[in-house]
Amino acid sequence: QSVLNQAPSASGTPGQRVTISCSGGSSNIGSHPINWYQHLPGTAPKLLIYSNDQRPSGVPDRFSGSKSGTSASLAISGLQSEDEADYYCAAWDDGLHGPVFGGGTKLTVL
Amino acid sequence: QVQLQESGPGLVKPSETLSLTCTVSGGSISRYYWNWIRQPPGKRLEWVGYVSYSGSSKYNPSLKSRVTISIDTSNYQFSLRLSSVTAADTAVYYCAREQTYAGNNYFDYWGQGTLVTVSS
Repeated sequence: QSVLNQAPSASGTPGQRVTISCSGGSSNIGSHPINWYQHLPGTAPKLLIYSNDQRPSGVPDRFSGSKSGTSASLAISGLQSEDEADYYCAAWDDGLHGPVFGGGTKLTVL
Repeated sequence: QVQLQESGPGLVKPSETLSLTCTVSGGSISRYYWNWIRQPPGKRLEWVGYVSYSGSSKYNPSLKSRVTISIDTSNYQFSLRLSSVTAADTAVYYCAREQTYAGNNYFDYWGQGTLVTVSS
């Protein structure tokens, strides 16, 4: 499938560990690295994880990524109120010949 | 720090052409691919296309017949034109820089986005 699927919402309490999942198919996640973006509405989306598990400079090590087969996960440990945002997964898709995005997961810090 | 800023009309009439410009500051416009990505209200992000620093371009097949992305390296700008717009083209439009690492392409810098509404 040429789309990536994410749960629409997730939540956690401060200090907790939360995981956001992303599932796709053989034409995208199954064949290409996954990237994750953090987005606070009204601001520029921010690259959080690239190439499955790499953190750009400045991204805290509380954020980690992994991939297995046609699924991927973003884990956030030591949850903080500032982590409340929308999180999107993305990967190249062979059918589209371009990147496809997940529908986004809205993370609420309770 | 690289910054991208979208600019252009926030309202476009149906059947007309949407035109947006992205201005790049704080870094080189050379050596990268420059993308447009949009998000219709309540929907997922959708890749529109890119232009390279040399002027080559590639578009989402679903929009290919209506899209043109061009670059002006001397002014550190790249532009999007989408013709024959309908209400379905109403979206927040983002410009983004594409980075490449070990065979993976990703967007390392984004603009804040600009809402374009198609309405008469």
